[in-house]
Amino acid sequence: QSALTQPPSVSGSPGQSVTISCTGTSGDIGNYNRVSWYQQPPGTAPKVMIYEVSNRPSGVPDRFSGSKSGNTASLTISGLQAEDEAIYYCSSYTTRTTVVFGGGTKLTVL
Amino acid sequence: QVQLVESGGGVVQPGRSLRLSCAASGFTFSTYAMHWVRQAPGKGLEWVAVISYDGTNRYYADSVRGRFTISRDNSKRTVYLQMNSLRPEDTAVYYCAKNRDSGWSKPFDWGQGTLVTVSS
Repeated sequence: QSALTQPPSVSGSPGQSVTISCTGTSGDIGNYNRVSWYQQPPGTAPKVMIYEVSNRPSGVPDRFSGSKSGNTASLTISGLQAEDEAIYYCSSYTTRTTVVFGGGTKLTVL
Repeated sequence: QVQLVESGGGVVQPGRSLRLSCAASGFTFSTYAMHWVRQAPGKGLEWVAVISYDGTNRYYADSVRGRFTISRDNSKRTVYLQMNSLRPEDTAVYYCAKNRDSGWSKPFDWGQGTLVTVSS
């Protein structure tokens, strides 16, 4: 199972918005609404920020939003803050009853 | 609140075995699927395996199928990962994660991980 494709890095200034894409296939993202997004600051465990494409767990700011179109999912962070700097991973369920992650995107807040 | 504590990591020679444990608390363990996910040093996340709430369904990544076995003991609120025929490329921090719901598609709550180093 190949990893989902994410850009290696994105950046934005405080207050701006950034969008991270996650491209899969009809065997994963395109077939299920089971896309999750995780935030991982250095040296810490991942934390789920979005699940089922666009749902936010309690405690996650509404600055974080998710969407999907075809085989591509997206995470948008609006009103960037310094604390948002981290690596972000997407994941999806697959038709092989496995889970696949993206390669990760490093977000830099300028 | 949900707590997941992994243990059992360490340094092991190639070809040897190791068993990881993940002790759970703060939720009804017997009603949730559990995942293992690993992260090689400086690399991204790689899903390893999942076991259903009752242990009847188990699925693995191609990279570990036939070498690793996931199991659980609901009476002990613990999930295990038996790792055999270890290779240097298995070196990673291994996280256990609770699924969000009764399915097995959404790792949701994560432990802090345990480091496995495969080296001679």
